[in-house]
Parts: sequence; C-alpha cells; structure tokens
Amino acid sequence: DADVTQTPRNRITKTGKRIMLECSQTKGHDRMYWYRQDPGLGLRLIYYSFDVKDINKGEISDGYSVSRQAQAKFSLSLESAIPNQTALYFCATSDLKARDRGAYNEQFFGPGTRLTVL
Amino acid sequence: KNQVEQSPQSLIILEGKNCTLQCNYTVSPFSNLRWYKQDTGRGPVSLTIMTFSENTKSNGRYTATLDADTKQSSLHITASQLSDSASYICVVSNFGNEKLTFGTGTRLTIIP
Repeated sequence: DADVTQTPRNRITKTGKRIMLECSQTKGHDRMYWYRQDPGLGLRLIYYSFDVKDINKGEISDGYSVSRQAQAKFSLSLESAIPNQTALYFCATSDLKARDRGAYNEQFFGPGTRLTVL
Repeated sequence: KNQVEQSPQSLIILEGKNCTLQCNYTVSPFSNLRWYKQDTGRGPVSLTIMTFSENTKSNGRYTATLDADTKQSSLHITASQLSDSASYICVVSNFGNEKLTFGTGTRLTIIP
C-alpha cells in the first residue's frame, strides 16, 4: 500500500551493528505495528503502538526497540544485530476510529524491508 | 495456544482453472477471520474479512467461506489468472484484544 512506506527496502549489515528501520504513513491512522516474517512461519508481532505515548511489546520483542516519533512515524531498531534477525520486516497501520464506527480493525501493510545480518 | 493452519503449503494450477485453499484455526475467543494476498516482495493486502455471523464473502473472483462451528475457512479462486500467483495468508483475530494470529500461507502458482 503506497500510503505506508518503509525505508530502507533492503539492508545488509554485520553482526553487532545498530540498525534502524523506518516506517511512515499518510493514512492518518493512530495504530502502528512492526512484524517480522520468516520462511515457513507466519508473521509475528514485534511491537505495536496505539498512539505516540503508547508503546507495547509483541510476542518477539527481545533484541528490538521502537520509537514513535509522531503519529505518522514508527521506527524499529536493532541495537546489536545478530544473524537470526535476518528476516523480512513489515510495518502496518490500522484505524482505531474505524473500530469505533463498527468497522473492522483492518491492518494495512507497508512493502517490507529485507534485512540480512551477516 | 492460538494457531492457524493452512493447506496446502503450495499449489500449482493452470491458468483458467479454479482452486480452493483451506484454513483451520484454534483461536479463541474469535472475532474475525481475514484472507490476505501477498505478492512476492510486497506487503500483504486484505482480500476479505468475516465475522462469526458471516459464512461467505466475495471479492471479485475470490470467495471466502467460514464455518465458525468447525473453525474452518476456505478461499475459492475462480477462473485463475497469472496475476493470482502469490501467497495467500489466513489471519484470525482475537475478540477483545484484537491480537492477530497468522497462518504460514499457501503459495499459489498459476502457469499458462
């Protein structure tokens, strides 16, 4: 979805390096999420944020940290990258107001960042 | 433990043929079930979302069914096209906390 952008799209780094993945959205959604996708596994939630002051850990947050700089920006950091963090990373957004209108809390995904840690 | 299982893992069919993908889940309490299409190198895109009260929903050539009693869903693709080649992911949402449990997907390849 062009309304959710991720940078970089591809990144190769070395073990021990600090890496930041960035996500921006123009959808005006309040909720943002970071997932990772590994071959043979479903997407797994790393962190999520319901607004700028609300950050929550997902099921696999160890080794990661996040920053919600603004409603439209949500960054994921790997403080000291390790090879098993090699994966495809997706940012997603959803609209709390849609749920309040009785609609589904549909998530809209960015194009992904392919991260390789050597 | 909440789980979503999909079958088959992969499927190859000829262009123009129909196919059906399966999803079984153990997520409880149930809120809704979604089917996403993920093209290679792209993020997942929603095809359908169904609550327990909906047993079928269509989106063009895609028709999803849901049996909340047996906790099964299927995605039927009619008159397949080359552009249908993608991974199809079944996702189930928990009622209350809206936590999503993702299946591992079915990789569909359409050949001319």
